[in-house]
Parts: sequence; structure tokens; C-alpha cells
Amino acid sequence: EAGVTQFPSHSVIEKGQTVTLRCDPISGHDNLYWYRRVMGKEIKFLLHFVKESKQDESGMPNNRFLAERTGGTYSTLKVQPAELEDSGVYFCASSPPGDEQFFGPGTRLTVL
Amino acid sequence: SQKIEQNSEALNIQEGKTATLTCNYTNYSPAYLQWYRQDPGRGPVFLLLIRENEKEKRKERLKVTFDTTLKQSLFHITASQPADSATYLCALGYNFNKFYFGSGTKLNVKP
Repeated sequence: EAGVTQFPSHSVIEKGQTVTLRCDPISGHDNLYWYRRVMGKEIKFLLHFVKESKQDESGMPNNRFLAERTGGTYSTLKVQPAELEDSGVYFCASSPPGDEQFFGPGTRLTVL
Repeated sequence: SQKIEQNSEALNIQEGKTATLTCNYTNYSPAYLQWYRQDPGRGPVFLLLIRENEKEKRKERLKVTFDTTLKQSLFHITASQPADSATYLCALGYNFNKFYFGSGTKLNVKP
């Protein structure tokens, strides 16, 4: 069974550009989470989907970040326009209801 | 806001010994607490979950305790092996919407 996949694995962009990260959860997992880890800090929650609905987006830093989960399958996280402080590793995780989370390998974003 | 403290210094132990990692938190106790393992360049991997009404949980060589009075969880790896070397993260959950992670403790098991 395939695990959680994320694309791309690395992204290097200029400040002011747009980047879209993609997460494909494990098939059948209704819950999908986005997290971010900036250098030297802990992993921080960004938001949580249940199917296509945003259940909790209290961790989203500002309105430059937009997450979607069309049809309740894969999810995208768009950063527009990107700033230097957005650099970090973005993790996606999925889970069945009330169960352990399965994490993807992460996308390393570098904003220059 | 919730603050979670894990020892930022690496824990170095000899193979075969028991490794004990600590997770302390402030403010209100979570409904449950999870422990994850993370290897370089990879996402965290779930190990164990313990709920607020449980004192102890075991899985093979792993044991987790949860003391809501002390606001602390201890994570033990018995008969440690070099393959156990990794960073271990604790995460607090109040519902299954949102989780708070500690910054992790790096464990080095020397042969």
C-alpha cells in the first residue's frame, strides 16, 4: 500500500513568486493535515481537512497561504507571494478518523 | 499557548541500555499524547499513543508513561540498538483536529 506522497521534494523560488505544494494522502483517509517546520523550530500545525472541508485552519500564518482539497482526495498548499520566512519543510499527514497520523516525506521549500 | 519541552541536547547511550526521553508541557493537559520517530530527510513515524486516563502503554521494546499531575510523559526504549538512533518527537492532542509537537530529542545509541 502506498504511503503519503508529497510533490515536489524540493523547491527553490525567489521572493515574491508563487509555489504550490501537493499532498496525496493514503487512499481512504478522510483526515489530512498540513504542518511546517522552519529551521531549528518544532513542527507546527497549519490546518486540518476532513474530506474536502477545512476543520481547523488556525495554524495558517497569514492570507498568503491557501490550502485546498478538491473532492476530498489530494490537497494543495499554495504560497503567494512567497516571503523569506516561508522557507522550511512542509509536511502532510493523513489518518483514518481518530487514529494515528501517517506523514509524508515533506517538501523542502527555500525562498531566496 | 501550550509549551512543550523536550531535551534539546542529544542523548548518548550504550547499546543494550535503556533510553529514557522526557516530554514536559505547560498549561492544560492534553486528551492524549503521541510519540514519533523521525530520521533525517524523512517525515515523522508514529510509535505510540497514550490517553489521559492511561498511566502506561507498551509496545515491544517501547514504553510510554503519562503523568498529568507532573505534566510529563516519559518514553523508554529498552535493550536499545544502534538502529534506534533517531530524533524522537512528542505531540500533544486535545482533539483529533490539531496537534502540538515538541522540538524533539536526538538519540544516539553507540555499539
